[in-house]
Amino acid sequence: GAGVSQSPSNKVTEKGKDVELRCDPISGHTALYWYRQRLGQGLEFLIYFQGNSAPDKSGLPSDRFSAERTGESVSTLTIQRTQQEDSAVYLCASSPLGRGAGELFFGEGSRLTVL
Amino acid sequence: AQRVTQPEKLLSVFKGAPVELKCNYSYSGSPELFWYVQYSRQRLQLLLRHISRESIKGFTADLNKGETSFHLKKPFAQEEDSAMYYCALRTTSGSRLTFGEGTQLTVNP
Repeated sequence: GAGVSQSPSNKVTEKGKDVELRCDPISGHTALYWYRQRLGQGLEFLIYFQGNSAPDKSGLPSDRFSAERTGESVSTLTIQRTQQEDSAVYLCASSPLGRGAGELFFGEGSRLTVL
Repeated sequence: AQRVTQPEKLLSVFKGAPVELKCNYSYSGSPELFWYVQYSRQRLQLLLRHISRESIKGFTADLNKGETSFHLKKPFAQEEDSAMYYCALRTTSGSRLTFGEGTQLTVNP
């Protein structure tokens, strides 16, 4: 594909339900990031995958949040037992190695609303 | 730990006026600094990075290690510059990008 693809683009769920968000990075990009953007706030780092290295999970806000990545392709962000404060836009980004490293290519985001 | 601060959440200028979006950082090493921009209904995208020392869409940013700043400047703002601007830092360890809170720039006609 031409860019980073995220699905679903919009998700409305009830408090307490689990949700799964998907990210398809640009082919060949070894780095993949998840960020959260609450209304009126900046980008909050969640997790970072770099090739086969152990992921940097230091930004995950609680053990209800987890993420996986299959090789250097698709990643899923799972939020268990959703709470209203989880409502936000979840952004995925990928980045190549080498000279291009540091330039992140973002998806359009998945907007999560927890009722 | 590294930190990026953008002191202004909102900034409003008139078309043709100079604009400066402030960014300060805290990191003990030699960071890489970036500016990202998000126009209305578009994806967040890279505007410029300090190592390139280039001017993009009339914007420039100089890394001032003494003041730990990376302010974004444009001498004559245009209406199409209205957007959300994020300053970001990457440590030399080559790991994650840390973003500031963002500044919403509005250029009025």
